[in-house]
Amino acid sequence: GQNIDQPTEMTATEGAIVQINCTYQTSGFNGLFWYQQHAGEAPTFLSYNVLDGLEEKGRFSSFLSRSKGYSYLLLKELQMKDSASYLCAVMDSNYQLIWGAGTKLIIKP
Amino acid sequence: IAGITQAPTSQILAAGRRMTLRCTQDMRHNAMYWYRQDLGLGLRLIHYSNTAGTTGKGEVPDGYSVSRANTDDFPLTLASAVPSQTSVYFCASSLRSGENTEAFFGQGTRLTVV
Repeated sequence: GQNIDQPTEMTATEGAIVQINCTYQTSGFNGLFWYQQHAGEAPTFLSYNVLDGLEEKGRFSSFLSRSKGYSYLLLKELQMKDSASYLCAVMDSNYQLIWGAGTKLIIKP
Repeated sequence: IAGITQAPTSQILAAGRRMTLRCTQDMRHNAMYWYRQDLGLGLRLIHYSNTAGTTGKGEVPDGYSVSRANTDDFPLTLASAVPSQTSVYFCASSLRSGENTEAFFGQGTRLTVV
């Protein structure tokens, strides 16, 4: 079967750095996405990785290792508005997105 | 309309009733999707459409039907609602199906079946 694993919840301090991990086992691989979802709102796109390595976009970076079936989302200089759920999704061989349950990130002052 | 719009925002529905959730996008995206989101689970694909006039079944299609008569609209119908269909439903669209295609989501419909 296909499976995406992420931690259920993480807590971090404002101004700090946090790394949210995602491991996956899917039928084929056509890219990995990270989305942010604030409570009661729609998911919004953060990043896309299809090749190994680090993609940096402002305070957010995303890393991929296809051989290890592993990705992480790195958030720097945390702000209170970063409190949200972060969803990892893998596009499988049929170009369908398989979603993880999401990681709820709590930011404390 | 700007982006992707769903209606209604929320609904309480008696079991056995028929219900259509509406979804409209104005971005001229070819691909559209319906997901349900339940606590502790990832988004699960119900049905999808890669282009107007075509539809396909996702991971959890039973009890749901869709149509794609034109590019903009992708309604989801529950023929006879059951309590297990209580969920938050998200419609999404992307320029095309395939890799590196960012999906844009509607604001969601919170459905409670009693």
